[in-house]
Amino acid sequence: DAGVIQSPRHEVTEMGQEVTLRCKPISGHNSLFWYRQTMMRGLELLIYFNNNVPIDDSGMPEDRFSAKMPNASFSTLKIQPSEPRDSAVYFCASTQAGSSSNQPQHFGDGTRLSIL
Amino acid sequence: GNSVTQMEGPVTLSEEAFLTINCTYTATGYPSLFWYVQYPGEGLQLLLKATKADDKGSNKGFEATYRKETTSFHLEKGSVQVSDSAVYFCALSSSGNNRKLIWGLGTSLAVNP
Repeated sequence: DAGVIQSPRHEVTEMGQEVTLRCKPISGHNSLFWYRQTMMRGLELLIYFNNNVPIDDSGMPEDRFSAKMPNASFSTLKIQPSEPRDSAVYFCASTQAGSSSNQPQHFGDGTRLSIL
Repeated sequence: GNSVTQMEGPVTLSEEAFLTINCTYTATGYPSLFWYVQYPGEGLQLLLKATKADDKGSNKGFEATYRKETTSFHLEKGSVQVSDSAVYFCALSSSGNNRKLIWGLGTSLAVNP
């Protein structure tokens, strides 16, 4: 089975540019999570979706960040305009639906973002 | 609210040493508990889990027991290898439909030959 697929793996861009990160969750999973990881702040949950609907976006740093999930197999995280402090590794994860809380999250390999 | 506290790293061990990484939690209800591992340059992957009190999760020689009385889920391995060098994260998932995980800050482990 294919895992969670993220693209691009690396992105280097100049401050002020728009950045779009992409994620394809595992087929059949209907919860999707976007995380950011930095040395200073560790792993932070930015937003998560259930059945393509945003449930909790309290971790989104500011209005420059937006996320969409137009269908069950695709999600984007957009930063516009980007700033150097957005440099981090961004992870997407997905998990399977159900009332049980014991289903693990499956992570992609991440996008390493550098804003110059 | 729910929280997870992990021992701070970095932890440096020699090959074949015994490993313990402490994890304690605060939660309402009956959470599930997880250990994830992140190898350099990769995403996090599930190492083991336990879903109820006294359950023991195990994988790749690692073990952790869900201790409700001490609200702990310490990770142990009897003999570490260089290939175990990674960052280890403890996490909990609350009961119910909320699929958010509450994460510890991670503990970096370096194993020297």
